Amino acid sequence: SAVISQKPSRDICQRGTSLTIQCQVDSQVTMMFWYRQQPGQSLTLIATANQGSEATYESGFVIDKFPISRPNLTFSTLTVSNMSPEDSSIYLCSVGGQSYQETQYFGPGTRLLVL
Amino acid sequence: GNSVTQMEGPVTLSEEAFLTINCTYTATGYPSLFWYVQYPGEGLQLLLKATKADDKGSNKGFEATYRKETTSFHLEKGSVQVSDSAVYFCALRDGTGGFKTIFGAGTRLFVKA
Repeated sequence: SAVISQKPSRDICQRGTSLTIQCQVDSQVTMMFWYRQQPGQSLTLIATANQGSEATYESGFVIDKFPISRPNLTFSTLTVSNMSPEDSSIYLCSVGGQSYQETQYFGPGTRLLVL
Repeated sequence: GNSVTQMEGPVTLSEEAFLTINCTYTATGYPSLFWYVQYPGEGLQLLLKATKADDKGSNKGFEATYRKETTSFHLEKGSVQVSDSAVYFCALRDGTGGFKTIFGAGTRLFVKA
């Protein structure tokens, strides 16, 4: 299994500002994923970030709003840009191997409140 | 596309009661199936998994059997404890669509002492 840490663990931000969330993994992984969990809801995939290639965004999510960096095999960042109260959510980093039989592991999440 | 449907909550049980949380899936291939648990204020933890038909995943007294014929992966526990109070997510992962995991809506479980 992978140990994943995220920074910050929580933040309160003003609308119109941006926040960058960091994800650090204790081992090299090919596939990293960013999810959003809105209050009381399930997890929705924002994008898949593989090292050495552009992130692949899911329907309803765009790079201008959620730019992602993946500079190496152990680190990624997600930026939530021009925030509005609707962006208040938990943002989770996740890693998984390139086999559907392998488990995806999740970081502790970043709890974001936008005022 | 792939999807996961699980029973709506919340589910409220007394301690030592039997638990079943239903989960069915739709997939184009042969996915692996997972149950994740989210305790209050925490992130997701893998509870158990099964990677092929008829496999049974088990952990901490919880069990689920991968039933291909009924496309189901129901979660069961014979005797729940207050500490089992959490949100449970059924999920699938397969080789299509970039190996991403798709989650059900989640079922909140409350266990009363």
